[in-house]
Amino acid sequence: EAGVAQSPRYKIIEKRQSVAFWCNPISGHATLYWYQQILGQGPKLLIQFQNNGVVDDSQLPKDRFSAERLKGVDSTLKIQPAKLEDSAVYLCASSLAFGYSQETQYFGPGTRLLVL
Amino acid sequence: AQSVTQLGSHVSVSEGALVLLRCNYSSSVPPYLFWYVQYPNQGLQLLLKYTSAATLVKGINGFEAEFKKSETSFHLTKPSAHMSDAAEYFCAVNTGTASKLTFGTGTRLQVTL
Repeated sequence: EAGVAQSPRYKIIEKRQSVAFWCNPISGHATLYWYQQILGQGPKLLIQFQNNGVVDDSQLPKDRFSAERLKGVDSTLKIQPAKLEDSAVYLCASSLAFGYSQETQYFGPGTRLLVL
Repeated sequence: AQSVTQLGSHVSVSEGALVLLRCNYSSSVPPYLFWYVQYPNQGLQLLLKYTSAATLVKGINGFEAEFKKSETSFHLTKPSAHMSDAAEYFCAVNTGTASKLTFGTGTRLQVTL
């Protein structure tokens, strides 16, 4: 089966510009996650969707970050305006069900963002 | 609150030597624990997970981990390292009902000839 797809793989922008990342989860997976991975750190959850509803966005900087998951499938994460500290890898993951702590999350290859 | 601590940000072993990557967790309820591997410029891939069925968990690529409640540990081991094992390894914990993973800071494994 196809894995989690993300695009673009790399993006370089200047500070104060906007950028958007796209994610297509594994077919049939109800839950979708966006993580931010800063160099030298583990991934940090930004937002979690169940179908097209937000479950957890407590770590999302809402003044500049937004995300949506229309129709409960694809998702887009946007940053506007970008800051230097947003330079990181943005990982998308999906899991089949929701509410099970032992559920495996499947990760995409990530989008590497560099803000100059 | 849940957290994991990975001791050693870098570990170097010789090819054929034992691999031991350490992970300690903090949780007020029984945890589910995961080890993920990340190869350069790739996403994370699940190596193995502990779901309370058995304390010794076997994963892919010859890795295994043992859950020790008394030591709050879930260390990852492999009897004989291969060059292809060079990657970053992340331990993660989930104790809630919303499938929220909390990751450690990672350990970079280097395998030398």
